[in-house]
Amino acid sequence: AQKVTQAQTEISVVEKEDVTLDCVYETRDTTYYLFWYKQPPSGELVFLIRRNSFDEQNEISGRYSWNFQKSTSSFNFTITASQVVDSAVYFCALSNYGGSQGNLIFGKGTKLSVKP
Amino acid sequence: KAGVTQTPRYLIKTRGQQVTLSCSPISGHRSVSWYQQTPGQGLQFLFEYFSETQRNKGNFPGRFSGRQFSNSRSEMNVSTLELGDSALYLCASSFGGLATNEKLFFGSGTQLSVL
Repeated sequence: AQKVTQAQTEISVVEKEDVTLDCVYETRDTTYYLFWYKQPPSGELVFLIRRNSFDEQNEISGRYSWNFQKSTSSFNFTITASQVVDSAVYFCALSNYGGSQGNLIFGKGTKLSVKP
Repeated sequence: KAGVTQTPRYLIKTRGQQVTLSCSPISGHRSVSWYQQTPGQGLQFLFEYFSETQRNKGNFPGRFSGRQFSNSRSEMNVSTLELGDSALYLCASSFGGLATNEKLFFGSGTQLSVL
């Protein structure tokens, strides 16, 4: 069975603080993809990053960074020097499609509130 | 390039009615997938259409159905509405579809309230 767990339901920080959003996944597949999406109040999910199971290299993009560790089945997301515009719900997702069969599973999301 | 467009933005229906939601994908995208988002269950996959054919289906009852037209626009229909169908319904488009594990482009959703 596949599962994505985002244990943090809500996080509140003050602007300029660093914040890490946790994501733990379960899958028996050796090939899979992990995603992070951001959902601002307007409703649409916005793609942030995709990682495949063979690429454990961590990534930094501006104030965002991602830490992928297969040994702990985690794909955590850190925002450095948070800003009010970072306030949103963040979703971690697991996709394991091979050919036409597979699943796309989302975590329940973490609501991040950044206060000025 | 226009994004994914969902109409209407809000809908209020009563139990037993049926509803049709529309999704226009990004130009050139052949896949449209639909999701139900509720506070309790989170984001759940409903189904995917690719080149007018349903390619994948989630674990939802037959009251939830969809179709895709030759211009890749998709509609989702829910018949015999129940209170529990109240949710934000999101659609997403992509070029190759879920089978390629590629990133998805989402619309802003249709907020359905069933009274």
